[in-house]
Amino acid sequence: QKEVEQDPGPLSVPEGAIVSLNCTYSNSAFQYFMWYRQYSRKGPELLMYTYSSGNKEDGRFTAQVDKSSKYISLFIRDSQPSDSATYLCAMSAERGYSTLTFGKGTMLLVSP
Amino acid sequence: NAGVTQTPKFRVLKTGQSMTLLCAQDMNHEYMYWYRQDPGMGLRLIHYSVGEGTTAKGEVPDGYNVSRLKKQNFLLGLESAAPSQTSVYFCASTQTLAGGIGPYNEQFFGPGTRLTVL
Repeated sequence: QKEVEQDPGPLSVPEGAIVSLNCTYSNSAFQYFMWYRQYSRKGPELLMYTYSSGNKEDGRFTAQVDKSSKYISLFIRDSQPSDSATYLCAMSAERGYSTLTFGKGTMLLVSP
Repeated sequence: NAGVTQTPKFRVLKTGQSMTLLCAQDMNHEYMYWYRQDPGMGLRLIHYSVGEGTTAKGEVPDGYNVSRLKKQNFLLGLESAAPSQTSVYFCASTQTLAGGIGPYNEQFFGPGTRLTVL
């Protein structure tokens, strides 16, 4: 079993839809959780991060962590064509980490 | 600041040839990483460095060597390229935590190098 599982998609939605992207993980030591966004032919860039369980909101984006279920989610409200990208979850066990464990990424396509 | 830059952007090699990919960062970051990204496989860590003069193996180190002679540069070498090394290579860097400020340090990625081995 991979440490981090993420559905590769593609996930196709119309503009304005609410999008839910998810990752499951097996390592109960993970406590730092991140979402990176990667546009086509570009490097990933950090979108959001959360520590331990709970929610974090930033504009149209909400990150949720459920450590009891080993499940993290990224919600995008009022999705826009500019949100079309691959979204990678990443996680780490330690604050002074040296490496991250990435999911494979989910490709999101938002049509006008 | 240029951030993280990678040289070259594209390269085509023949099997058995060697090459070096250069990563440079101007953010005075301690940690640097080399990843490869393949369809359906996600980002996989090849090697990383936690400071000048240090290197460590990641998930897929075979066939690659690295050097961190200067803090701002991290080199990835392929001694004898194989078709299985056809991939997009990303370099990233991050600062160490200092003084307990903040729970997390972002990894900053370069634009990638597209390598094809024939």
